[in-house]
Amino acid sequence: SQQGEEDPQALSIQEGENATMNCSYKTSINNLQWYRQNSGRGLVHLILIRSNEREKHSGRLRVTLDTSKKSSSLLITASRAADTASYFCATDARGGADGLTFGKGTHLIIQP
Amino acid sequence: EPEVTQTPSHQVTQMGQEVILRCVPISNHLYFYWYRQILGQKVEFLVSFYNNEISEKSEIFDDQFSVERPDGSNFTLKIRSTKLEDSAMYFCASRPLATRNNEQFFGPGTRLTVL
Repeated sequence: SQQGEEDPQALSIQEGENATMNCSYKTSINNLQWYRQNSGRGLVHLILIRSNEREKHSGRLRVTLDTSKKSSSLLITASRAADTASYFCATDARGGADGLTFGKGTHLIIQP
Repeated sequence: EPEVTQTPSHQVTQMGQEVILRCVPISNHLYFYWYRQILGQKVEFLVSFYNNEISEKSEIFDDQFSVERPDGSNFTLKIRSTKLEDSAMYFCASRPLATRNNEQFFGPGTRLTVL
């Protein structure tokens, strides 16, 4: 089954606006993480939220998790041109050595 | 800040050839992973490795794939006989033991092109 499906697939906003991306998943999870990938580069870990948490903040990032709806959202406030990247949610079911299951990502473009 | 490194950045090979992709995880990390990302698609888990053995592997990781930690620093992915559909970005990741979370640190990737 598909896990970690983000929407929208692409999002284009003006610099300074807020960007919201959503992720849905199908199976139970241990935690959910968000990663950023700049074009042609590796994945950079942004933030992790555990299954018993509902909201978490880190700088301009705010993540929510609704385990009853199996969904998460990532909000980037006061966007900057440097935020242009693809954003992926990733889940793992058990923690430990588990591999992460990634979604297809949201490609975010911040227009100056 | 310590980083995961991968070599080469780009590998071009002929179908049927063997390739070895190399990774140097962060030095005090004990869990190691390989993922791949076919162009335009999502990142897919291949295998995890801990204590010198495979912990978990996906359906993609068939007999054509193998992993090895030949010394104290390198972590390699070998594809025995490459196919066209093996063309992808391959990412190595690592994480330390002493964490409740599964935050993984990714390398920049190796782009494998199979002709």
